[in-house]
Amino acid sequence: GQQLNQSPQSMFIQEGEDVSMNCTSSSIFNTWLWYKQDPGEGPVLLIALYKAGELTSNGRLTAQFGITRKDSFLNISASIPSDVGIYFCAGSMTGTASKLTFGTGTRLQVTL
Amino acid sequence: AAGVIQSPRHLIKEKRETATLKCYPIPRHDTVYWYQQGPGQDPQFLISFYEKMQSDKGSIPDRFSAQQFSDYHSELNMSSLELGDSALYFCASSLRTALSGYTFGSGTRLTVV
Repeated sequence: GQQLNQSPQSMFIQEGEDVSMNCTSSSIFNTWLWYKQDPGEGPVLLIALYKAGELTSNGRLTAQFGITRKDSFLNISASIPSDVGIYFCAGSMTGTASKLTFGTGTRLQVTL
Repeated sequence: AAGVIQSPRHLIKEKRETATLKCYPIPRHDTVYWYQQGPGQDPQFLISFYEKMQSDKGSIPDRFSAQQFSDYHSELNMSSLELGDSALYFCASSLRTALSGYTFGSGTRLTVV
């Protein structure tokens, strides 16, 4: 089946640093979503991308939909302790409501 | 703003027992999805419903069934529970036409002992 590979798998960074993570797929997706998940909680939507090449920001977060529609990246600027969590990319084959295929996740830990 | 409500939050069952998980979507959302997340894993799609009809099916075991009721809430029924069914079960809801509102509940943690 489809698989989304995220890298890095985990990262330790210092508060204030910028973070970059990416997601690649063997299949084309028409929509990319980025979620953050805290322990024991459901994923919370950060950014949704609908068009190849689209670059979207949400506060300190910036995400881009790759031109090939097989990849996406998420950047976090000036990280803070509350950025700790697991970040998942998710792809949808359509632009409307459908099942999501999740990436393998990037665990972010921030040191003071 | 109202969110997706799941109940119970935690559930402990013994092997071979049955469990029912409930999901109340965001008001006016017409699509409900169920996902299973094992320890250290990413969420895996199980099944979805649009306007009370099953719309898509993923890796849902035959021992599991689900339905969406007239008030749009959904229930996931799990029978003959196995140890490997221990996981977080998430429900999500959205409008069929708007992925931007695809919202997850806080999940039900099922532990099978």
